[in-house]
Amino acid sequence: DIQMTQSPSSLSASVGDRVTITCRAGQGISTSLNWYQQRPGKAPNLLIYAASTLQSGVPSRFSGGGSGTLFTLTITSLQPEDFATYYCQQSYNTPLTFGGGTKVDIK
Amino acid sequence: QLQLQESGPGLVKPSETLSLTCTVSGGSISSTSYYWAWIRQSPGKGLEWIGNIYYGGSTYYNPSLRSRFTMFVDTSKNQFSLKLSSVTATDTAVYYCARLQYTRRVIGGLDIWGQGTMITVSS
Repeated sequence: DIQMTQSPSSLSASVGDRVTITCRAGQGISTSLNWYQQRPGKAPNLLIYAASTLQSGVPSRFSGGGSGTLFTLTITSLQPEDFATYYCQQSYNTPLTFGGGTKVDIK
Repeated sequence: QLQLQESGPGLVKPSETLSLTCTVSGGSISSTSYYWAWIRQSPGKGLEWIGNIYYGGSTYYNPSLRSRFTMFVDTSKNQFSLKLSSVTATDTAVYYCARLQYTRRVIGGLDIWGQGTMITVSS
């Protein structure tokens, strides 16, 4: 299985801040990396697929980058609705595996 | 707009078999561009991929779950289903169904999710 490691596991930020979350894969996965947002009590929502492609309907303040083993999710100008938990997930190989999550809360 | 809806018993006794169904509405399950997946999330924990199925019936399972899971697809009802045998308390989780992108033989992201159904294993 490909292990996915996210950092940090949690962070506190203010509205308007720029936030970057890192995801590291246990082996090279090219750009087969997806990012999700999950609000409490809700299903995850796909934000970015193929490492850097913004899913339809997702605000442009979200962006993704990276390839191989190191990936980033950046939120420019954090909005109140962005306080949530974020997960990375690799689709390079089965079993599909997720990172442990990064919780973004209000400072 | 395509939507997914899980249905299940809510409460299951240990050692019994859990059956879940995901109904697809607003679109066809018989698409060559998608797989249909099950994912679960234990209380306060992260996400675990269970497996996915193609409309033609081919399946991929998470080998760490020790073959207790079986998936089915019923294209006439636009549904896919999951069975989990010999449940234990560790199977208590929210179970989600989702659509998995599959374009030019490349798997992408899980782009549409059901709302999830909470399954508790308890006597």
